[in-house]
Amino acid sequence: EDQVTQSPEALRLQEGESSSLNCSYTVSGLRGLFWYRQDPGKGPEFLFTLYSAGEEKEKERLKATLTKKESFLHITAPKPEDSATYLCAVQAVGSSNTGKLIFGQGTTLQVKP
Amino acid sequence: NAGVTQTPKFRILKIGQSMTLQCTQDMNHNYMYWYRQDPGMGLKLIYYSVGAGITDKGEVPNGYNVSRSTTEDFPLRLELAAPSQTSVYFCASGGSSETQYFGPGTRLLVL
Repeated sequence: EDQVTQSPEALRLQEGESSSLNCSYTVSGLRGLFWYRQDPGKGPEFLFTLYSAGEEKEKERLKATLTKKESFLHITAPKPEDSATYLCAVQAVGSSNTGKLIFGQGTTLQVKP
Repeated sequence: NAGVTQTPKFRILKIGQSMTLQCTQDMNHNYMYWYRQDPGMGLKLIYYSVGAGITDKGEVPNGYNVSRSTTEDFPLRLELAAPSQTSVYFCASGGSSETQYFGPGTRLLVL
């Protein structure tokens, strides 16, 4: 069964304290791995798509990496405005004609000034 | 472009009542999705559509129905609301790039 697990569930950082969020996945053929950011009371906002092991993508203080079993979202020198829930999702090869995603539970990040 | 819009933003229903959650997208996307999000549970797919006139069940379809008469609209119907349907509902749409774009959500409370 296709599955996505994110860890930790919650993470508290001081401003400037770098860390990483983990997304482990089990899927019958990966077509793509997606990272979203979700602010309280809002819908998820797209951040990155990764397609193959070794691929990396960056946006401001965020960098996403991908291996054959997991993805990391590295946050460098975070600021309070980076506080949000970060969601990971995968699309299996078998879902290429439907676009269906399987989501993890999310990691809630709090960055204190 | 407004992207994906959802109405209402918040609704309180009594047990047994029915309602329709509206979703509209202006990006000409073929694919549309309905999710529910419960605390600590991530997003669960309720129904999806790959084009006008085509819909299919997701992971948690019981108690819901959908229709897709146009490319833009994908309403979600709740019949006989139950407390277990208290949740936040998100509509999303996607095109050929596989990326899904989400609406702002509808918060539903069933009492």
